[in-house]
Amino acid sequence: SAVISQKPSRDICQRGTSLTIQCQVDSQVTMMFWYRQQPGQSLTLIATANQGSEATYESGFVIDKFPISRPNLTFSTLTVSNLSPEDSSIYLCSVLEDTGYGYTFGSGTRLTVV
Amino acid sequence: RKEVEQDPGPFNVPEGATVAFNCTYSNSASQSFFWYRQDCRKEPKLLMSVYSSGNEDGRFTAQLNRASQYISLLIRDSKLSDSATYLCVVNSNSGYALNFGKGTSLLVTP
Repeated sequence: SAVISQKPSRDICQRGTSLTIQCQVDSQVTMMFWYRQQPGQSLTLIATANQGSEATYESGFVIDKFPISRPNLTFSTLTVSNLSPEDSSIYLCSVLEDTGYGYTFGSGTRLTVV
Repeated sequence: RKEVEQDPGPFNVPEGATVAFNCTYSNSASQSFFWYRQDCRKEPKLLMSVYSSGNEDGRFTAQLNRASQYISLLIRDSKLSDSATYLCVVNSNSGYALNFGKGTSLLVTP
């Protein structure tokens, strides 16, 4: 399966600041996704990161708050902007492997907003 | 109604026991179904895909009932290392992205 490097693994940020999370894949993948997992909850899809075009956001998530870049088939970033304590969560990137293996996840970024 | 629903548990079982988890999904157009395992503070990892005919992988058996929109996972001869949260996962309306259940917690005790 693909190997995903997600950084940072954790961060503590001040209210009002932003955090950018990077996801690097060791192979080219067409489909890449960003999820959020709030404490005690399951994963919720934020958006699908589309290479060379704007991301597709799920209901309840907007580009101004969660801008996403996907400059090529192996890399994507998610920025969580204007942080508030409610943004404290784990953020995970995921890829659907073109080889047909299925979905693989990055190791996650644990964000705490203070 | 949530797209994917699971009994959160926790299920506490002794080593060697057989345990079954159930899951229901709301979107009848869903085509792909999975069980993922998530250990504490770790990312989800694919346990197995679920096929209409049912499928088995060692001690794990998955079943899908499309008519009832119901998925199950059976774990036989439970090991201590099976302790984790098991996530029922179904592809979403948009086709490729996934909808996750909240997970069922399993604790296997000596």
